[in-house]
Amino acid sequence: LAKTTQPISMDSYEGQEVNITCSHNNIATNDYITWYQQFPSQGPRFIIQGYKTKVTNEVASLFIPADRKSSTLSLPRVSLSDTAVYYCLVGVLYNTDKLIFGTGTRLQVFP
Amino acid sequence: SQTIHQWPATLVQPVGSPLSLECTVEGTSNPNLYWYRQAAGRGLQLLFYSVGIGQISSEVPQNLSASRPQDRQFILSSKKLLLSDSGFYLCAWGEEEAFFGQGTRLTVV
Repeated sequence: LAKTTQPISMDSYEGQEVNITCSHNNIATNDYITWYQQFPSQGPRFIIQGYKTKVTNEVASLFIPADRKSSTLSLPRVSLSDTAVYYCLVGVLYNTDKLIFGTGTRLQVFP
Repeated sequence: SQTIHQWPATLVQPVGSPLSLECTVEGTSNPNLYWYRQAAGRGLQLLFYSVGIGQISSEVPQNLSASRPQDRQFILSSKKLLLSDSGFYLCAWGEEEAFFGQGTRLTVV
């Protein structure tokens, strides 16, 4: 899996939009980009996955530029319950043996 | 639908004692299975992964071992626990995305 780089932490306030960017310069042609959310004392939970351009679901949007060397997770109108660690993963999961997580981004949402 | 079960949820063990954590997956066959450890305030460290029965790959040298006696069963073990083995242990399985168990918080005293 390609190595990823994310900011260690971010702060925001309730109601704001939060954008977390992940760099993955060595992404391979077949790699997908997947984001996970982890609350304290719980396992990570899948948020969104994409290959190129933009993907949107009920929770978040994922923006991927044409060169695919980075991606941005966008959380609209965050609430206190969005305080968590967010991980970016790059790779084709069903075509690899390993799931290797980076350090993640710790998002703190304030009232 | 697929589910993953991991137990126990918490465990306090003395130094030098053995360890056995069990993880089972339902609703899928021949899954890739993973064991992770997370120290307090740190990221997820991949310990072991398995692509099939009896097939175990280790990512880091350590005091732990893993076994996969059945297709959907993954066991993490230690013969003698160290203080440094304390942490939050997570089992996961994955295909296009990863699904995690609820974790086991192990405290070695």
